[in-house]
Amino acid sequence: NAGVTQTPKFQVLKTGQSMTLQCAQDMNHEYMSWYRQDPGMGLRLIHYSVGAGITDQGEVPNGYNVSRSTTEDFPLRLLSAAPSQTSVYFCASSRGYRRGPSTGELFFGEGSRLTVL
Amino acid sequence: DQQVKQNSPSLSVQEGRISILNCDYTNSMFDYFLWYKKYPAEGPTFLISISSIKDKNEDGRFTVFLNKSAKHLSLHIVPSQPGDSAVYFCAAIIQGAQKLVFGQGTRLTINP
Repeated sequence: NAGVTQTPKFQVLKTGQSMTLQCAQDMNHEYMSWYRQDPGMGLRLIHYSVGAGITDQGEVPNGYNVSRSTTEDFPLRLLSAAPSQTSVYFCASSRGYRRGPSTGELFFGEGSRLTVL
Repeated sequence: DQQVKQNSPSLSVQEGRISILNCDYTNSMFDYFLWYKKYPAEGPTFLISISSIKDKNEDGRFTVFLNKSAKHLSLHIVPSQPGDSAVYFCAAIIQGAQKLVFGQGTRLTINP
């Protein structure tokens, strides 16, 4: 059981560079989301999707883009990396937005640690 | 605006004793609450949850208590074991919504 798979696990970028964090799940989950974890801030929602073709913003969406062309994949794009985007990024999915996030049980990937110099 | 707050960044407990982790929330619309556990270099994993219609939910060594009037919930771990050493996140959601809101996390260390 792969669950939620994130790549890469580690990445170093220079300010202004762009990149994509990949997220794939093999559980046929409708709901997918991206969080960032920063010291003292907990986990903050960046973007989420309740199904293919549907995305919406979370608490901290600025500087990030997402798309959901398939049920399995939910990539997160950094358009022009800034040092403030240095963080650990988690992708999470749930069975269905009516059952999953409505009761909050998310399945998380192992995280992607991004450093922007 | 931190809607879910965990005011203790860290907690140290002796093995075998009770660990109590606390969480406060400000949004009275939240009606479902969860605790997640996170080990280093891993993603958070769901631990236990409680609906706002209840005041207690128990699962083995883990019990979550909800005090709606005080907008406070707590996680009790009895007895504490070394494997319980992790960061614990409190989270809340309005059922039917799509956004789960997390607290800042509390690092629990169980000492042998």
